[in-house]
Amino acid sequence: ELKVEQNPLFLSMQEGKNYTIYCNYSTTSDRLYWYRQDPGKSLESLFVLLSNGAVKQEGRLMASLDTKARLSTLHITAAVHDLSATYFCAVESNTGNQFYFGTGTSLTVIP
Amino acid sequence: GAVVSQHPSWVICKSGTSVKIECRSLDFQATTMFWYRQFPKQSLMLMATSNEGSKATYEQGVEKDKFLINHASLTLSTLTVTSAHPEDSSFYICSAGPDSGGAFFGQGTRLTVV
Repeated sequence: ELKVEQNPLFLSMQEGKNYTIYCNYSTTSDRLYWYRQDPGKSLESLFVLLSNGAVKQEGRLMASLDTKARLSTLHITAAVHDLSATYFCAVESNTGNQFYFGTGTSLTVIP
Repeated sequence: GAVVSQHPSWVICKSGTSVKIECRSLDFQATTMFWYRQFPKQSLMLMATSNEGSKATYEQGVEKDKFLINHASLTLSTLTVTSAHPEDSSFYICSAGPDSGGAFFGQGTRLTVV
């Protein structure tokens, strides 16, 4: 079974600061996704990373994928309060669109 | 983009009753849909894979007689929680994706069993 580990689990950071969330997975996969979840809500798609070396940026968030290291990162630049949420990475199995989720990172941005 | 609609958004039911949750793909056909459960402050755990026209595949530890899945058409899968108990209270999320790949998630259903 494919395992996905996320680090850290909880993160509290001040506005304006930078930080990186890490996502490691255990077996080969070609597709990695990042999602945001607000309390009581479903998942909002942030990024889809489909190849080694892929880098995508949207606003203050940037995601990258290293398939050789089986590692993806989500970098937060100059955090603002609106980014407070739980972030999940998910790896899609190569045998179908079955997803395996990381543990999630609960992010709180404080003024 | 593709849309997956889940219904209802929340439901409260009495212990011992059954609850049905629907998951529809609105603008694509999905031969496979997935059902997840999420407990508070935890990640999503895959419960089962719903296959159109055949039996669902359940993850280890998920009772197939308790969580009945029906995937009768290419756009609809249903999850029925039978004889629900308070420990079944959770956030249930479905997902589906077109053959080209990717997954789209329903809005989720918050089930509370009292």
